[in-house]
Amino acid sequence: KNQVEQSPQSLIILEGKNCTLQCNYTVSPFSNLRWYKQDTGRGPVSLTIMTFSENTKSNGRYTATLDADTKQSSLHITASQLSDSASYICVVSMDSNYQLIWGAGTKLIIKP
Amino acid sequence: AAGVIQSPRHLIKEKRETATLKCYPIPRHDTVYWYQQGPGQDPQFLISFYEKMQSDKGSIPDRFSAQQFSDYHSELNMSSLELGDSALYFCASSLMVAGSYEQYFGPGTRLTVT
Repeated sequence: KNQVEQSPQSLIILEGKNCTLQCNYTVSPFSNLRWYKQDTGRGPVSLTIMTFSENTKSNGRYTATLDADTKQSSLHITASQLSDSASYICVVSMDSNYQLIWGAGTKLIIKP
Repeated sequence: AAGVIQSPRHLIKEKRETATLKCYPIPRHDTVYWYQQGPGQDPQFLISFYEKMQSDKGSIPDRFSAQQFSDYHSELNMSSLELGDSALYFCASSLMVAGSYEQYFGPGTRLTVT
C-alpha cells in the first residue's frame, strides 16, 4: 500500500532552535518528494521538491534530505522563527504529476 | 510574482444548492488541479486539466464537474450540495510543458454547506 508516514505528529520548540522532521514512504513507483508548509486554512506552500537522484536541497533556512534507498526524507529547519509555526507536510508523487500521496503532516509550534 | 487566484474565498450555501468555484492559474501555466481538503484531512485530488483538456480524474463526485477555459482559468461546478461537501477547495497550477513537477497552490475557497 502506498503510504507516507511522518513523525513526530507535533513538535514544540523555542524560537531560535533547530528541528528536524521525518518522513518515511512506501510509494512505488517513485517520481519525486515534496515538502509543503501549510498554515491553518491556507493553501500548501512548496518548500522543496526532490527527484530520485537528489540527496539534499535547501531553501533558505529549510534543508531537505532524501535517501531513496531507505525511502526516508527529513526536513531540517534552522534558527526557527515564530512564523515557522505551521503544519509541514511530506508528499510523494508517483509516476505522474497527478497522483500525490500526502503524509498527515507534523504540526510545528514555535514558542517565544 | 503573480500567484494562483481563487474566488470566492468564502462561500456559504444550503443543501441541494449549487456552487461554482473559480481558479485563475499563474500566467502561462498550462495545468490546473483541484483539491478538496476536509477539516483535519489531507487534500484529496479531484480533477486536473492540461491545455483545456481533462488530464486526470481523482475522487470527484458525479455531482461535481469542472472545465478549463481558453484563457486557462478553471471552474469547479458543484450541484446538489451536501453537508459533507463543506471543505476547503484548493486549486493549483503548474507548467507541464516545461516538465516541471511544481504545483503552486491558491489560497483556497472555504465552502460551508448548511
